Formats: sequence, C-alpha cells, structure tokens
Amino acid sequence: QKEVEQNSGPLSVPEGAIASLNCTYSDRGSQSFFWYRQYSGKSPELIMSIYSNGDKEDGRFTAQLNKASQYVSLLIRDSQPSDSATYLCAVNPGSGGYNKLIFGAGTRLAVHP
Amino acid sequence: EAGVAQSPRYKIIEKRQSVAFWCNPISGHATLYWYQQILGQGPKLLIQFQNNGVVDDSQLPKDRFSAERLKGVDSTLKIQPAKLEDSAVYLCASSLEAWQGLYEQYFGPGTRLTVT
Repeated sequence: QKEVEQNSGPLSVPEGAIASLNCTYSDRGSQSFFWYRQYSGKSPELIMSIYSNGDKEDGRFTAQLNKASQYVSLLIRDSQPSDSATYLCAVNPGSGGYNKLIFGAGTRLAVHP
Repeated sequence: EAGVAQSPRYKIIEKRQSVAFWCNPISGHATLYWYQQILGQGPKLLIQFQNNGVVDDSQLPKDRFSAERLKGVDSTLKIQPAKLEDSAVYLCASSLEAWQGLYEQYFGPGTRLTVT
C-alpha cells in the first residue's frame, strides 16, 4: 500500500474555476502536511502547510485536513493558466520525531483558457 | 534571503563512472536533506542531516551512494559507480530544524543526472 496517494491526473479545469486536488495517507500518526507545486523541469515549491484539522486559507489557496478520514486536499480558486503544474502532497509520518516527508507522485493540473 | 544552492545543474555520465553533487542550504538551517526524484514520481528521501550528523539514511543505497556534511553547512552527495537506474533529479532541501515535523522544507533547483 502506498503511503501517500494522489490521483495522477491530468485534472483539467477551465480558467476561473475551482481546482480540487486530493491526497490520502496511510499513517494515522502523521502530524504535518504540505502541498508543493512543481512546474515541469523545476524543483518543488512549497505553497501550503497544515497541521490541524479544518481549513487553512492563503490567497487563492485553501488546504483542508481531515485526520479522522486521513485525507488532505488543496483547493485553488479562480484557477489561472499559470497554475498549470504538478501538485505534490507531502506528509510527515511523525515517527521518531524527525522531519521526514513522504511524497505522493503528484497530480498534474492543466488550466485551460 | 538566498535559497538553497546546488551544483552542477546538469550532469551526463556513463555507467560505472562516479559523480558528485554539492548543496549549500539556506543560511541558519540546521537540517539538510537529499532527495531523488525519478521522472513521474515524487521525491524520495535518501539521507537527512541534522547539523553534521546523519538522522536518517535508511533509503540510501550505501553500496554506491555516500554523503557528508562535514562542517554542518554545505553537503556533498556522491555516487560511485553509477548505474542506469540512477538517472534522476537529485534535490537538496533544508529546514530550520528536524524535530516534531513542524519545520517546512525548501528545495534547491536540483541536479539532473543522466547515466548512459
């Protein structure tokens, strides 16, 4: 069983729409959760972190965490073509106290004009 | 604030040759990570340093990969001898600390390795 699972996509949305990206994880003790954006040929860029159940908003981005259901999601409002990228979900499994991150394979988002 | 620096950006070698990558973390960051990202996959942690000590190298292929962070700042990752399956992007990341998972990791631009 994969530790962090994401739909590989591509998720195609029209410009101006809401893009919804989902991620599930297997380790119930996971403490912290991150979303990274990765443009083709570039390195991952941190866009959101979330540590508590509920929603966290930052500009057009909202991260949602539900530890009971072991899922975390990222909503992108008013999607722009520049949002087209692969979105990586990363989870800290919490074991050992170290800051280890387990990444999903990413969801490719395509925003079309 | 300067980001994570890596060099070289690209490297092409033949199998069985050796290669080394360099990383300089964000100033003041105690924790440094090396990841391997194969095309179409998420990054996979190879090794994690806290200052100049190793805290996790469980996924480092120790028969061919080695890494060091001698003075607790910059780090070198070496592969010797390289195999075709080592073709990947090698990413360095850093964070303030490593404890309790509360510190965000920031990535450098990566080194794209092609083994022929």
